[in-house]
Amino acid sequence: AQSVAQPEDQVNVAEGNPLTVKCTYSVSGNPYLFWYVQYPNRGLQFLLKYITGDNLVKGSYGFEAEFNKSQTSFHLKKPSALVSDSALYFCAVRAEYSSASKIIFGSGTRLSIRP
Amino acid sequence: ETGVTQTPRHLVMGMTNKKSLKCEQHLGHNAMYWYKQSAKKPLELMFVYNFKEQTENNSVPSRFSPECPNSSHLFLHLHTLQPEDSALYLCASSQVGLAGEAGELFFGEGSRLTVL
Repeated sequence: AQSVAQPEDQVNVAEGNPLTVKCTYSVSGNPYLFWYVQYPNRGLQFLLKYITGDNLVKGSYGFEAEFNKSQTSFHLKKPSALVSDSALYFCAVRAEYSSASKIIFGSGTRLSIRP
Repeated sequence: ETGVTQTPRHLVMGMTNKKSLKCEQHLGHNAMYWYKQSAKKPLELMFVYNFKEQTENNSVPSRFSPECPNSSHLFLHLHTLQPEDSALYLCASSQVGLAGEAGELFFGEGSRLTVL
């Protein structure tokens, strides 16, 4: 069965510091991995995805994520956090060749950046 | 701003009302989805339409009735809802390949529903 875990409900970081939002997954076969961000009272916005290729994926707003097959992780990172990065972040996974309806979302991590 | 537009953004209705949520996607995708987002719960997939045909109904109560007249438009008709149906309803679209594989989802801004 597929699953995705975001072990931290909340991450607090000072502006200018690096940030990491953790995600681990379980899927049969090759994973397709995604990160989405949700601002208050808004829908989810696509940030980046890993399908194949380089383990380090670059996305929107300066975010990047590193795929680690041995650790089954796909952590979201940013070298220098901004206050405007404060939002709810969702990791998602589905198996290669599966439909989008089989995508599983994590429970979300609230990122809070203090000035 | 986004390629998926949802209306209304906010809706308050009584339990005996009938209302509809509307979604329109401008991305040329061939699949559309309804999700429910409740506080403290994971995102729940409700319905999926591929090429205008409903391909999934995840045990959603019949008081929610979807309609997909074409690949760009999706509706969610609401009737005799319960207070526990209050949530953010998100529409999404994606491109689905010939083998059924799909790219990433693109979401609308959501419709915040409150049932009194």
